[in-house]
Amino acid sequence: GQQVMQIPQYQHVQEGEDFTTYCNSSTTLSNIQWYKQRPGGHPVFLIQLVKSGEVKKQKRLTFQFGEAKKNSSLHITATQTTDVGTYFCAGRHSGGYQKVTFGTGTKLQVIP
Amino acid sequence: GAVVSQHPSWVICKSGTSVKIECRSLDFQATTMFWYRQFPKQSLMLMATSNEGSKATYEQGVEKDKFLINHASLTLSTLTVTSAHPEDSSFYICSALTVTNEKLFFGSGTQLSVL
Repeated sequence: GQQVMQIPQYQHVQEGEDFTTYCNSSTTLSNIQWYKQRPGGHPVFLIQLVKSGEVKKQKRLTFQFGEAKKNSSLHITATQTTDVGTYFCAGRHSGGYQKVTFGTGTKLQVIP
Repeated sequence: GAVVSQHPSWVICKSGTSVKIECRSLDFQATTMFWYRQFPKQSLMLMATSNEGSKATYEQGVEKDKFLINHASLTLSTLTVTSAHPEDSSFYICSALTVTNEKLFFGSGTQLSVL
């Protein structure tokens, strides 16, 4: 079946350091989305990438979609304590009925 | 952004009883809604895709007779956990797909504890 893996599973960084999480799908994706889930909360939509090689930025966050549309990354520059949470990628697979498979998630802890 | 209301937020029930969870899109129509299950410190596992006016599509390993899904209108989907057992205790969360099929908006989730 379709699998979406993320690495690392956990990341502790000092405030001000950069952070990157990587997402890899076993199959080609039609698009990929990123979500942030705070402890005790529900996932909140961050961004969607559709085109091969696409790069989008949101302030300190940079999202990239691989050329083969099977991988993606989220990079946070100069982390802040408000960045704490679990970041999930979610891939929509080509064909089918709009099924979205979530990645395994990366839990980010920022040390003040 | 769009709002998805899910309730109850938490429920405690006795083993053998049934629990219904509601998911409503408040300010948009959702032809497709998804139901997920999330165990502590784990990712969201898709249980089923709920389509308005038709039968839900269940993921492999999910018992359709145990997890009944009804999507009777464009703004409401329900998940009923029938004859709940302690192993069904989990965080259940729904999401709704916007008409443009671009974004998923999530409900706040339901923590189910079966005694």
